[in-house]
Amino acid sequence: DAGVIQSPRHEVTEMGQEVTLRCKPISGHDYLFWYRQTMMRGLELLIYFNNNVPIDDSGMPEDRFSAKMPNASFSTLKIQPSEPRDSAVYFCASSLGPEGNTEAFFGQGTRLTVV
Amino acid sequence: DQQVKQNSPSLSVQEGRISILNCDYTNSMFDYFLWYKKYPAEGPTFLISISSIKDKNEDGRFTVFLNKSAKHLSLHIVPSQPGDSAVYFCAGNTNAGKSTFGDGTTLTVKP
Repeated sequence: DAGVIQSPRHEVTEMGQEVTLRCKPISGHDYLFWYRQTMMRGLELLIYFNNNVPIDDSGMPEDRFSAKMPNASFSTLKIQPSEPRDSAVYFCASSLGPEGNTEAFFGQGTRLTVV
Repeated sequence: DQQVKQNSPSLSVQEGRISILNCDYTNSMFDYFLWYKKYPAEGPTFLISISSIKDKNEDGRFTVFLNKSAKHLSLHIVPSQPGDSAVYFCAGNTNAGKSTFGDGTTLTVKP
């Protein structure tokens, strides 16, 4: 398996535009996580899915953020409208199960810059 | 409320010496702790974990120690190698598989 695949790797957009980040988890992994990494807040969990169903979205910062998982092999994180403070690296990760010792496999991240 | 704290943003050690990275937590509900390693422009990768009912776990050059009464854990790397230079994240996990990460410590191993 190629691992968790995220696209695009880099995204530069203007304030107010819609941004869509994409993720393909590892096949067979039932859990998918979206994280955001910033200098101020570190690596924070935004939302996670189990079997395509959103379980916990308490980390989603505002209504401008939304995430979907239409099937087991694809998820999107959308920001509409985008703002400069959304600039960060967004990581998608997947894992096999809910057990606490289950490691998460991360994608390479999408570096988002909103100007 | 930051549930997982890595108070040292950076650490520099000489090749061959021991690297000790520290992590403190406040959430008693964590049942596992994981360490991840991150190189620039890559996602974090899993390194080693420890159950909350254990006090030590060893894997090659990497050992994690847990002091539950102090809510403190540490990662020891012996001997340190230049290839170990990376950002190390400590994470607390609950049964839901949800991870709470610290801010990371940048380790530099000098040849």
